[in-house]
Amino acid sequence: DVVMTQTPVSLSVAIGQPASISCKSSQSLVHSDGKTYLNWLLQRPGQSPKRLIYLVSKLDSGIPDRFSGSGSETDFTLKISRVEADDLGVYYCLQGTHFPNTFGAGTKLELK
Amino acid sequence: QVQLKESGPGLVQPSQTLSLTCTVSGFSLMDYSVHWVRQPPGKGLEWMGRMKYDGDTYYNSALKSRLSISRDTSKSQVFLKMNSLQTEDTAIYYCTRAEWGQGVMVTVSS
Repeated sequence: DVVMTQTPVSLSVAIGQPASISCKSSQSLVHSDGKTYLNWLLQRPGQSPKRLIYLVSKLDSGIPDRFSGSGSETDFTLKISRVEADDLGVYYCLQGTHFPNTFGAGTKLELK
Repeated sequence: QVQLKESGPGLVQPSQTLSLTCTVSGFSLMDYSVHWVRQPPGKGLEWMGRMKYDGDTYYNSALKSRLSISRDTSKSQVFLKMNSLQTEDTAIYYCTRAEWGQGVMVTVSS
């Protein structure tokens, strides 16, 4: 199975400051169709996860452009340009290239 | 508007079989795949399996011997069945496309 290693485990950020989360996969996430199926999800406290980004860098509808995703092959990053209170929760990366699909262990974003 | 909603029993006895239903709206099961994911209390997410739009299924190898996913396209429903439940199967069970359902909490206890 593909192992998704997320860092840091937790992140304390002041409102208005940037944040960055890394996700590294144990093998390349480039699919045979040429696409890279790497998603980022946010799970706010007491809620279901919500997809923010798919195919490495494509924002889902309604997701503010403060969020951005980048990376390739095995190394991926989620960046928040200016953290807002609504951004708090646990962020997960998810690879959908290989079966079984696998999640990172999560990064908890807290307010400083 | 795309929606997914899980339903099923909240309590299952050890060694019994879990049966869950995911009812979708706003899209056709013949056009999109639906996945099942679970989350034990206070822990991370585990991908369980997928019903592909063409009816093909794929399971997490760790659960494959106990898990079955099927569908009824006429009712827009995807089904999960998992047998031989143990306490470690206690979790919130989600169905998801890009959007996620609200989840259903399943407790395995006698």
